[in-house]
Amino acid sequence: ETGVTQSPTHLIKTRGQQVTLRCSSQSGHNTVSWYQQALGQGPQFIFQYYREEENGRGNFPPRFSGLQFPNYSSELNVNALELDDSALYLCASSLTGLGNTEAFFGQGTRLTVV
Amino acid sequence: RKEVEQDPGPFNVPEGATVAFNCTYSNSASQSFFWYRQDCRKEPKLLMSVYSSGNEDGRFTAQLNRASQYISLLIRDSKLSDSATYLCVVNGAAGNKLTFGGGTRVLVKP
Repeated sequence: ETGVTQSPTHLIKTRGQQVTLRCSSQSGHNTVSWYQQALGQGPQFIFQYYREEENGRGNFPPRFSGLQFPNYSSELNVNALELDDSALYLCASSLTGLGNTEAFFGQGTRLTVV
Repeated sequence: RKEVEQDPGPFNVPEGATVAFNCTYSNSASQSFFWYRQDCRKEPKLLMSVYSSGNEDGRFTAQLNRASQYISLLIRDSKLSDSATYLCVVNGAAGNKLTFGGGTRVLVKP
């Protein structure tokens, strides 16, 4: 096990609703990255948080937002859900510093928008 | 053009055979390279890092060609348990932003 935990594991939401996904990073890690993986595709980078600040963002609209807390855990918020937001959302934890460490993934949250 | 491209497969491989596949990347400034393995409906897990000189981990061999901007993975003596999607991953110059390819699906059959 990686020590990265995500909640919930599965979620069903209605189009237009809002959702919050949570990630607890591995002990000692200060960086959390979020990815969206649609069925049959590779994970796509949403954004990264380092020391509670956004540290890079992929090609996702502003209705995707996030937070990182002092204990380095993180949330991903998605507003105004669309059907195409249905995907596996993955959180990856790593240590950014003198040398970047391997990224460890949580088991993911499978979001279905109906 | 996608930043990281892979042949989606599937590669149907007889048990015990060797299979190899490549991945190309577009950003010449990319710093580090990895192969991740992803089983159906599970999270990606690091298989191996890829070094400039090439590296081997048991039955798995990874190669990096910076001049042509591709990396490769070779699996020898394929096992049924090697059936998975193999994700090519590139890490850019800034931070730990991993860019994934779409994955190559490998099916090892008896």
